[in-house]
Amino acid sequence: GDSVTQTEGLVTLTEGLPVMLNCTYQTIYSNPFLFWYVQHLNESPRLLLKSFTDNKRTEHQGFHATLHKSSSSFHLQKSSAQLSDSALYYCALKGNTNAYKVIFGKGTHLHVLP
Amino acid sequence: NAGVIQTPRHKVTGKGQEATLWCEPISGHSAVFWYRQTIVQGLEFLTYFRNQAPIDDSGMPKERFSAQMPNQSHSTLKIQSTQPQDSAVYLCASSLDAHSDYTFGSGTRLLVI
Repeated sequence: GDSVTQTEGLVTLTEGLPVMLNCTYQTIYSNPFLFWYVQHLNESPRLLLKSFTDNKRTEHQGFHATLHKSSSSFHLQKSSAQLSDSALYYCALKGNTNAYKVIFGKGTHLHVLP
Repeated sequence: NAGVIQTPRHKVTGKGQEATLWCEPISGHSAVFWYRQTIVQGLEFLTYFRNQAPIDDSGMPKERFSAQMPNQSHSTLKIQSTQPQDSAVYLCASSLDAHSDYTFGSGTRLLVI
């Protein structure tokens, strides 16, 4: 079945440094939908950004990600981390655009230090 | 729009007791999803309904977990004979259709002691 792998459980970095959270996926479908959700402390997950277009950069709130079907990856990046970026980040997958169900990775905690 | 409403916010049960969790989706949303969130496993899919019909329960532990959606305004997740390993945050989400994003509720934090 479909799966999402986030290799880092915890990423700790200093404010101002670049952020990169890794995400790879597996699916039998050729046109998957990929998502990044963010969950701040004591809040519920909310959508950060999404994409289904190969090799097209998607941006929102200073974060960006590019879906690369050739490597089945959808890494999340930001040029300069802020303290407020500290949160839990989930990469997620829908196998095709007509699917309802979303499969989430195990999440990566991002901890930004002053 | 009050969003997805989950009750109770916190629940403590003794081992072996039953727990029922409630979810009220956003009015007009056709799909309702249940996920379990733990530090170790992240967000695990449990089950979902579309237009009140059960579609996929592949993530549900078969023996003690059950979910229902008796009407379009609420869904329930019932856990019988709760065990300490059931302790988690249970999140409900709804979506308008297959092309729409999820809206999550605030979750129910279940603690089994």
